[in-house]
Amino acid sequence: GAVVSQHPSRVICKSGTSVKIECRSLDFQATTMFWYRQFPKQSLMLMATSNEGSKATYEQGVEKDKFLINHASLTLSTLTVTSAHPEDSSFYICSAGGQDNSPLHFGNGTRLTVT
Amino acid sequence: DAKTTQPTSMDCAEGRAANLPCNHSTISGNEYVYWYRQIHSQGPQYIIHGLKNNETNEMASLIITEDRKSSTLILPHATLRDTAVYYCIVIGISGGYQKVTFGTGTKLQVIP
Repeated sequence: GAVVSQHPSRVICKSGTSVKIECRSLDFQATTMFWYRQFPKQSLMLMATSNEGSKATYEQGVEKDKFLINHASLTLSTLTVTSAHPEDSSFYICSAGGQDNSPLHFGNGTRLTVT
Repeated sequence: DAKTTQPTSMDCAEGRAANLPCNHSTISGNEYVYWYRQIHSQGPQYIIHGLKNNETNEMASLIITEDRKSSTLILPHATLRDTAVYYCIVIGISGGYQKVTFGTGTKLQVIP
């Protein structure tokens, strides 16, 4: 079945640095990618929706200049957390979808720790 | 856009059926109801989906009301491994792209 690969699974970075998370669809064309953030014991929260070749649409309260999303191809989307701070420490997950109502496929998430 | 609401948490005895409800009263005609579950620190796992007919697969059954304003996910014989957060999601197409509405999830605790 369709697989979404998310990398890295864990990353520790120093405050002020930037971190890039990759999300790849391995055997299907992902016209839409979704990025989520999840704090401990809380639900998934949608951060942004990215359609291939277009600018991402951010949810209210999510800073687009801090969380840079690129979706330049049908198989790759990246989320860059710029100038990371300890409060950005969280579990980040991507999901990929096509142009129909077929199931979303989720990555296994990235645990970001900012020290 | 459809909005989904779910109870925050539920308990179920091992071996019994777990019935997880979801309200999506503003769902539109071309939007599907999907269910996923998330076990701690992993990506959500697909369970089942439907448009208006009831569906069954090897994992679960999905009952959608006739007016499509709510649905129920049924795990027929819950096991301890079914302890997870269950998300009801509405997926539709807007402008040629998928549009997703997430519920807040129900934390299901299966009790021995």
